[in-house]
Amino acid sequence: DGGITQSPKYLFRKEGQNVTLSCEQNLNHDAMYWYRQDPGQGLRLIYYSQIVNDFQKGDIAEGYSVSREKKESFPLTVTSAQKNPTAFYLCASSILGQKNTEAFFGQGTRLTVV
Amino acid sequence: GNSVTQMEGPVTLSEEAFLTINCTYTATGYPSLFWYVQYPGEGLQLLLKATKADDKGSNKGFEATYRKETTSFHLEKGSVQVSDSAVYFCALSGNQGGKLIFGQGTELSVKP
Repeated sequence: DGGITQSPKYLFRKEGQNVTLSCEQNLNHDAMYWYRQDPGQGLRLIYYSQIVNDFQKGDIAEGYSVSREKKESFPLTVTSAQKNPTAFYLCASSILGQKNTEAFFGQGTRLTVV
Repeated sequence: GNSVTQMEGPVTLSEEAFLTINCTYTATGYPSLFWYVQYPGEGLQLLLKATKADDKGSNKGFEATYRKETTSFHLEKGSVQVSDSAVYFCALSGNQGGKLIFGQGTELSVKP
């Protein structure tokens, strides 16, 4: 079945550690996105990528980094510079350049700082 | 810039009640509009969409009409079920597609 796979589902990080969240898609989509979700808030865009080896900052990129070495993969690293990393992280993908296309989401990774 | 505003939750209804969740937007040009649903502990699923003025999106008994004159995309369902309990997000995208701007979400709780 085609879809987006995020792993792990739950992740615990100690203060000062970097952690990497995985996102893989087999939908052959060009565009991929990372969103952060906090309780009572909508989703905020962290980074997005429209093509391999290229990506752009979203609204809250500080303390995060990404790479796009393969079309299928868009991992997100939460660095120690991110002041408040505890949140639910959602990866999405979409066809590029079509106005009416929707984004498809993974099941999310819940990151907790301990 | 573009933005989406949803009615605040939580919304609590009895089974078979009528549901309305308000959504208004600010955008340049002619965005596409979406409703997504999120069940506890899961990602988002597309519920319905509309891509131009006066379009009506519908799915699983839910409906929403793209109203350009009032910049609104209110979600409605005639008779809710317990299984509809979830968080509902209104969103818009511009010409690129996919890069969505979300409202803050509205939590719906349906009691038997």
